[in-house]
Amino acid sequence: NAGVMQNPRHLVRRRGQEARLRCSPMKGHSHVYWYRQLPEEGLKFMVYLQKENIIDESGMPKERFSAEFPKEGPSILRIQQVVRGDSAAYFCASSTLLDQGDEQFFGPGTRLTVL
Amino acid sequence: DQQVKQNSPSLSVQEGRISILNCDYTNSMFDYFLWYKKYPAEGPTFLISISSIKDKNEDGRFTVFLNKSAKHLSLHIVPSQPGDSAVYFCAARLNAGKSTFGDGTTLTVKP
Repeated sequence: NAGVMQNPRHLVRRRGQEARLRCSPMKGHSHVYWYRQLPEEGLKFMVYLQKENIIDESGMPKERFSAEFPKEGPSILRIQQVVRGDSAAYFCASSTLLDQGDEQFFGPGTRLTVL
Repeated sequence: DQQVKQNSPSLSVQEGRISILNCDYTNSMFDYFLWYKKYPAEGPTFLISISSIKDKNEDGRFTVFLNKSAKHLSLHIVPSQPGDSAVYFCAARLNAGKSTFGDGTTLTVKP
């Protein structure tokens, strides 16, 4: 059973470009979470999605950031018009969320560098 | 307002001794707590968790203690091994879904 997959592992963009980060959850998992980790900090929650639905986006910046989890295919975190402050590691996690105790399994992360 | 705090950025212990990592939280509504271990260039890996209705959970060398009145939890690793050297994150959940993470403690276990 493959784990959570994220690609690309490293992404370099120039200011003003768009960044697309992809996450394929573990097989059987229908809940996806995106977190961002800035240097020397912990993971900060961004958004929680189920298939075709955004459940909680309280951690998402109001502008330039969007996320989706379509019926088919991976979850996508999209950052438009990137700025240097967007440089961070972006982690995706998935779970079955049958109950509160269900573990979130994390992917290896995408490291975004904005030049 | 940081709701989950790990006040020690780093901890160094000798192999074979006990490692104690601490975590404080402010939101009394959190009802589930987790510890993750993270190596460089990898995602966090789940270690152990505890429900707010318990005060202790043990799994092999890892034990988590929860003191609800003090809003404090700790992770004990005994005996510590060099392979335990990593960044440890404490996390808390308010309800099923998102986790709120601390900033992590870097543990170094010296041979």
